[in-house]
Amino acid sequence: AQTVTQSQPEMSVQEAETVTLSCTYDTSESNYYLFWYKQPPSRQMILVIRQEAYKQQNATENRFSVNFQKAAKSFSLKISDSQLGDTAMYFCAFMKRYAGGTSYGKLTFGQGTILTVHP
Amino acid sequence: GAVVSQHPSWVICKSGTSVKIECRSLDFQATTMFWYRQFPKQSLMLMATSNEGSKATYEQGVEKDKFLINHASLTLSTLTVTSAHPEDSSFYICSAPTTGSYEQYFGPGTRLTVT
Repeated sequence: AQTVTQSQPEMSVQEAETVTLSCTYDTSESNYYLFWYKQPPSRQMILVIRQEAYKQQNATENRFSVNFQKAAKSFSLKISDSQLGDTAMYFCAFMKRYAGGTSYGKLTFGQGTILTVHP
Repeated sequence: GAVVSQHPSWVICKSGTSVKIECRSLDFQATTMFWYRQFPKQSLMLMATSNEGSKATYEQGVEKDKFLINHASLTLSTLTVTSAHPEDSSFYICSAPTTGSYEQYFGPGTRLTVT
């Protein structure tokens, strides 16, 4: 079984600054995906970024980037130029990747980090 | 992207009654759907995996007789909370992966309040 740990229950950052959210995971699988999801006050889950474990290059999506350290089983999210709309709860998540590239979509979530961006 | 809807978005029911929550994939077929439960400021806890045309698979500790799941078509899964009690009050979220993809789409959630 997989476990995902987010050790920062709450964080805050000033608008336009950079913040990094931490995530570690434990698995015996070699083939998997890692994700960061955002849950704003509306509670709609939004995919922020994903990383395939077999790719060494860190994923980047505009202001969001990850630092994926496979050996250390670490997957942190960096948010640059923070905006007020980034205020949300952020979840790190793990998904096993099955043969053929398909996945049954079963996600294991971390505890979440509440991020508040201050003006 | 694909869209998943949930109905109702908020429901209040009396203790002892049953309530049904629907999860629909609007523009794709979903052979599998997932049901999560979330308490305020906490993570999503997977309750069960809903499989079209077959029985749902429940996570350890989830009462299958209390949380009835039916996946009768490729676009609809329902969660029925039977004999609801105040401790069942929570936020219920469904999600569905598209076939052969890592991508998973979440419904907007249903807030259940049992009085």
